[in-house]
Amino acid sequence: GAVVSQHPSRVICKSGTSVKIECRSLDFQATTMFWYRQFPKQSLMLMATSNEGSKATYEQGVEKDKFLINHASLTLSTLTVTSAHPEDSSFYICSARDPLTTAYNEQFFGPGTRLTVL
Amino acid sequence: GENVEQHPSTLSVQEGDSAVIKCTYSDSASNYFPWYKQELGKRPQLIIDIRSNVGEKKDQRIAVTLNKTAKHFSLHITETQPEDSAVYFCAASRTAGQKLVFGTGTRLLVSP
Repeated sequence: GAVVSQHPSRVICKSGTSVKIECRSLDFQATTMFWYRQFPKQSLMLMATSNEGSKATYEQGVEKDKFLINHASLTLSTLTVTSAHPEDSSFYICSARDPLTTAYNEQFFGPGTRLTVL
Repeated sequence: GENVEQHPSTLSVQEGDSAVIKCTYSDSASNYFPWYKQELGKRPQLIIDIRSNVGEKKDQRIAVTLNKTAKHFSLHITETQPEDSAVYFCAASRTAGQKLVFGTGTRLLVSP
């Protein structure tokens, strides 16, 4: 089945620094990837839709200059949290859809990245 | 935009009992409704999904029902086991490639 990986799985950084999270589709090409954020004991909230070769589409309330998304290839999307602050500490999860093999809208999720900003 | 509500927020059952989780959605154009199981610190795992042209779907102990007129869908787990304990999320989306909107989640605890 379709596999999505994320790197790193955990990251701890100091306030004010930037952190890059990678999301890869390992055995399929994903023209669209999604980035979610999940705070403790809460649901997954979509941050942005990442489209290969074009600008990402951000959800209302998500700062595009703070959460930079790059989808430079059909298998890789990156999320960069710039000037991270403690309130950015969260579980970041990406997902991707394999348009060639799934008749439905099934999305395959990465394992997530736990970001802790000190 | 789409809004998905989910109830209950927590559900405690005895092993062997059935568990039912309900969701309602607001966007009549939504046509894909997946259910995910998420264990602590792990990724959501798809357990069952249903499309709008089907009213019910079953996979062993798990079933999902959909009422498009009322815009609600439900997850049914029969013969619950302790390993079913997790957080369950419903979600809804429109046609292919569209974003998923998640419900608020239900923490299911199955006691031996």
